[in-house]
Amino acid sequence: QVQLVQSGAEMKKPGSSVKVSCRASGDTFRSYGIIWVRQAPGQGLEWLGGIIPTFDTRKYEQKFQGRVTITADESTSTANMELSSLRSEDTAVYYCARVHLEWLYVDHWGQGTQVIVSS
Amino acid sequence: SFELTQPPSVSVSPGQTARITCSGDALPKQFGNWYQQKPGQAPVLMIYKDSERPSGIPERFSGSSSGTTVTLTISGVQAEDEADYYCQSADSSGTVVFGGGTKVTVL
Repeated sequence: QVQLVQSGAEMKKPGSSVKVSCRASGDTFRSYGIIWVRQAPGQGLEWLGGIIPTFDTRKYEQKFQGRVTITADESTSTANMELSSLRSEDTAVYYCARVHLEWLYVDHWGQGTQVIVSS
Repeated sequence: SFELTQPPSVSVSPGQTARITCSGDALPKQFGNWYQQKPGQAPVLMIYKDSERPSGIPERFSGSSSGTTVTLTISGVQAEDEADYYCQSADSSGTVVFGGGTKVTVL
């Protein structure tokens, strides 16, 4: 059974950084990509970027270029997403998700990590 | 990047058919996928590659594609289908895009 288990909720000050981790089970890291998606309160889904762990290639949404860094550790099957220079508008639930590499659809999602940015 | 446009809301009576559209210039070249999200939960894949249904998804959910529009159809809507629905696609460079979401209300 595929599982994506994310780290716990975070409360951060404006200007600081947050790192969210996502541990995957099964063959996720060998055969799939991982993307990060966020959802602000009452809003829709927003893609931040993704990584193909076996090739260590990344792609970021242009809006977040320079602020987001996505990494993957194959030895622990863990993907990480770090977002810097946080502002209140970054308050959201952050999801990691497994993406099919050929057709780019998500077949499994993590449980979500609440990040609150507040002074 | 490209955009996907969905209607903000759709209302339907139980047992009737709901159709949710998703429009985007890239859709003739790229597949569309659909997710259901209920409050406080992560999204769930309902349709992929325009019309494929994952195992475990009820047959009343179906997808189709025509030109720049993909459509999610829910036949014989049930109360439990009340949720937000998002379309999603990706371009050849790997950029992923979600539509703005459609709230389905079962009257």
